[in-house]
Order: sequence, then C-alpha cells, then structure tokens
Amino acid sequence: KAGVTQTPRYLIKTRGQQVTLSCSPISGHRSVSWYQQTPGQGLQFLFEYFSETQRNKGNFPGRFSGRQFSNSRSEMNVSTLELGDSALYLCASSLADLSSYEQYFGPGTRLTVT
Amino acid sequence: AQTVTQSQPEMSVQEAETVTLSCTYDTSESDYYLFWYKQPPSRQMILVIRQEAYKQQNATENRFSVNFQKAAKSFSLKISDSQLGDAAMYFCAYRSAVVYGNKLVFGAGTILRVKS
Repeated sequence: KAGVTQTPRYLIKTRGQQVTLSCSPISGHRSVSWYQQTPGQGLQFLFEYFSETQRNKGNFPGRFSGRQFSNSRSEMNVSTLELGDSALYLCASSLADLSSYEQYFGPGTRLTVT
Repeated sequence: AQTVTQSQPEMSVQEAETVTLSCTYDTSESDYYLFWYKQPPSRQMILVIRQEAYKQQNATENRFSVNFQKAAKSFSLKISDSQLGDAAMYFCAYRSAVVYGNKLVFGAGTILRVKS
C-alpha cells in the first residue's frame, strides 16, 4: 500500500506570495491533518479535514486555509507569505473513527520564504 | 488545553545500552491516547509506540517500552539494546479520545544520539 505523499517536497517563495501544498493520503484513509514544524515553535497542529469538511482547527491566522477533495486528497494554502512561515509542513492521514488512532505521516514539504 | 512537556532536549546512549526519554502531560480528560514518534534526519515521522489511557498495562514493541503513570501524568519511553538506527528526534504526543478528531499535541522533542 502506498504511503502518504506530499508535493512538492521543496519550495522557495517570496514574502507576500501565496503557496499551495498538496497531500495524498493512504488509500482508504478519510482524515487528513496538517502540521507545521519549526525550530522555534516545534510541531503545531494546523487543521484536520474529514469527508471534505474541516473537523478541527489550530491557532493559526486566516492566511492558512485548506480543503479536501472527494478522493480525500487535501491541499493547504498560505496567502501573503511571511518570513515566519518558513517551515516543514507535514500531513498525516488516518482512518476516521475514534478507535483508529494511528496516523501516518508524509515526508513533508519544506517551505522557505525569502 | 492539553500540553505535553519533554524536559530533555538531548540525550546520549552507548550502543547496546538502555536509555529512557521522559514525557509529562497535562489534561483534564479521562480518556486519551499517548504516542511516541521518531523523526530521523529524513524528517519522516514514524510511530514507535502507543498507549491507551484506559489500559493499565504498559505498551511494549520489541526493544521499545513505556512506563505510563496515569496519576502522575507521566509517559516515558525506554529503548533497550540501543542501535545506531535509533538516533533521531523523539516526540511524545497526546490525542484526545473524548473529542472526535485526530489532533495531536506534541512535546518539543528529545534528540537521541547513539554512540558506537
């Protein structure tokens, strides 16, 4: 079974631009979560999507948004990029129910904002 | 809100020896899951071990075991017979079993170095 894939793996953007990152979950997984990893703030939860609906949201500004498609693939978008948005963005997929707690992470997208 | 604290920024262990990584957490929930994740230099997060809070028995996965103390809100990871491949950043994480969803709350991480 193929793992979680994220594209692109590396990205360099300029301050003020916007960026879209993509995550394809493991086949059959309906939940996709996004995390931001930085040296200063560590791993922080951005949001989770299930069945095309946002189910949970972390404490990030509205510049961070996401969506999920009917095939469970998810995208996250960051508008008006700031230098502080430079980070490793990880997505994780899992089955949807409470008893299924294991999340599988993708390799991440390294975003650099200059 | 739940918090997870890893007080050891860095640990070192000799190959074949045993090391214990510490984790404490704070929550008012009665049911939850705890995890240890490993992140090697490749940055791929890998689940090492999980513990359901309602289970009193400590989880074990081969050379990895936990010491789960619910009353003390402590969840340490013991790695036995350490191998060079165990060198990585280790994260302790919490997930609610009360609130529907997969949100993980992570600790700051512990870098584990393995000496040959």
